[in-house]
Amino acid sequence: AQRVTQPEKLLSVFKGAPVELKCNYSYSGSPELFWYVQYSRQRLQLLLRHISRESIKGFTADLNKGETSFHLKKPFAQEEDSAMYYCALSGRGYQKVTFGTGTKLQVIP
Amino acid sequence: EAGVAQSPRYKIIEKRQSVAFWCNPISGHATLYWYQQILGQGPKLLIQFQNNGVVDDSQLPKDRFSAERLKGVDSTLKIQPAKLEDSAVYLCASRRTSGGQETQYFGPGTRLLVL
Repeated sequence: AQRVTQPEKLLSVFKGAPVELKCNYSYSGSPELFWYVQYSRQRLQLLLRHISRESIKGFTADLNKGETSFHLKKPFAQEEDSAMYYCALSGRGYQKVTFGTGTKLQVIP
Repeated sequence: EAGVAQSPRYKIIEKRQSVAFWCNPISGHATLYWYQQILGQGPKLLIQFQNNGVVDDSQLPKDRFSAERLKGVDSTLKIQPAKLEDSAVYLCASRRTSGGQETQYFGPGTRLLVL
């Protein structure tokens, strides 16, 4: 069965400090991995996906197939990064999307 | 471009009552998803439609939940009868195609409280 694990419910960092939100997964085959973000009172939205290999709002995530991880990183946290972050995976073409339990990132001014 | 619309935004019912949620996806989006998000958890996929056909409903509790997408546009999700553990936010999402790399867009959700 496919599974996404986000071990931290809450991560507090100071503004300007590096951020790493952890995500581990289990999946038979080649999954697609995503990070979604939900800012206060806003809709859940895609932040980035491993296929795109892009940096969005200073965040990057590298898929490590050996460690089955897809950690989200940012070198310098900003107050506006405070939000709920969800790691998710799917089969090819957004089939059977599975979300993790989420990590709340709190950036302290 | 208008986003995914959902109604109602909030609903309070008593256990054993019935409830229905409505979703209007983004125009032209063929794929539609319903998720259940219980407090403290991530969204859980209940059902996925491709046009008006069901692609995946493996996690839908079919003894009490039903969903339809007539004409391949709007969709309704029904719970009958509701249980206390159905209290959650019900999210609808849509996507243009069934494959490819396009993302899914989420609606604001319907918050259900079962007393």
